Amino acid sequence: ETGVTQSPTHLIKTRGQQVTLRCSSQSGHNTVSWYQQALGQGPQFIFQYYREEENGRGNFPPRFSGLQFPNYSSELNVNALELDDSALYLCASSGGLADSYEQYFGPGTRLTVT
Amino acid sequence: AQSVTQPDIHITVSEGASLELRCNYSYGATPYLFWYVQSPGQGLQLLLKYFSGDTLVQGIKGFEAEFKRSQSSFNLRKPSVHWSDAAEYFCAVGAKGGKLIFGQGTELSVKP
Repeated sequence: ETGVTQSPTHLIKTRGQQVTLRCSSQSGHNTVSWYQQALGQGPQFIFQYYREEENGRGNFPPRFSGLQFPNYSSELNVNALELDDSALYLCASSGGLADSYEQYFGPGTRLTVT
Repeated sequence: AQSVTQPDIHITVSEGASLELRCNYSYGATPYLFWYVQSPGQGLQLLLKYFSGDTLVQGIKGFEAEFKRSQSSFNLRKPSVHWSDAAEYFCAVGAKGGKLIFGQGTELSVKP
């Protein structure tokens, strides 16, 4: 069974740029959630996708957007990067809406905005 | 509003000693509760979960947690800590829209 994978591991961007982060869900999972974890904080929910549709969204501005593909992999896009977007971005997959809370996390992408 | 509070930012215990990490939640209905562990620079690993039924739940790596509705608590325990347990621990509650609400975390250090 393959776990959740994320790419890239690290990246550095400049304020105002755009970034795309990628996530492959665990085998057999059709739901993907994204979280932002600032240094020294707990993860904050960005949004969740179930079968290519957004199922829920946290308190993040529209410049944070996502996609889920037919193979259930997902992308997180952030436009007009700000310094405060520097964080660890975590992707988690789960086995469907009934099990959407039981989430398995990938290793994360560390984004630094300068 | 739903929330999770972990009152202890940092705890140090001696190897072999028992451990209890505190978690209090605020949620209107019967909560789905979780404990995760995060090693430095890593993602989160699910230790255990509570959905319903027996209020004492067993997890991986010898951890257990007890749900106490009257105290709105879900404390994590381990009878004997190993040096490899040093990490950050997060308590979380499941909320609408598939969202997990996390506490601030408790950093555990283990003294030899």
